[in-house]
Amino acid sequence: EVQLVESGGGLVQPGGSLRLSCAASGFTLKTYWMHWVRQAPGKGLVWVSRINDDGSSITYADSVKGRFTVSRDNAKNTLYLQMNSLRVEDTAVYYCVRDGVGSIPFDYWGQGTLVTVSS
Amino acid sequence: EIVLTQSPGTLSLSPGERATLSCRTSQSVTRNYLAWYQQRSGQTPRLLIYDASSRATGIPDRFSGSGSGTDFTLTISRLEPEDFAVYYCQQYDDSPRTFGQGTKVEIK
Repeated sequence: EVQLVESGGGLVQPGGSLRLSCAASGFTLKTYWMHWVRQAPGKGLVWVSRINDDGSSITYADSVKGRFTVSRDNAKNTLYLQMNSLRVEDTAVYYCVRDGVGSIPFDYWGQGTLVTVSS
Repeated sequence: EIVLTQSPGTLSLSPGERATLSCRTSQSVTRNYLAWYQQRSGQTPRLLIYDASSRATGIPDRFSGSGSGTDFTLTISRLEPEDFAVYYCQQYDDSPRTFGQGTKVEIK
């Protein structure tokens, strides 16, 4: 069974940092592109970042570029999101999401981890 | 970036009725790389439709997608109680992979 389990969320002050992790199981992480998507409380879905299968190609939403860094450790079956210079508007549930095979997009989602940026 | 506009914002229907949700894109989605997701209250989004009209694994056939270019539609032929939720469209033809703002299907 495919599972994506995020961790690392919590309460942080503006300007602070957090590192999210996403543990993958039930499939071979190294063969899939992965994404982070976030959802502010009561709001819609917003794509944050994408990393290809071997980590050699990465893209970010403009809103997080220069502040967030996505990475992966395929040997540990884990995806990461390092978030620096956090802002109040970064408050959201952060989902780890798998890109499917071929043209299938986000076929598996983690349960999400809540990041709250507040003083 | 490609902007997706969903309408209506809220759809009030009764179980058994037909739901028709619209998604319009600011630029043509040339490979029909358009997906629909369902998010029930308090739950994680779930992929329903990809490539504009292909049902994802395990999705009931009352869900269907259609459209091309800049106009896409999700149809739920007969609403079941578990279908009352928020639905998002997403394009994955271009980066960034943008979502629509969502359509809430609520019980009338």
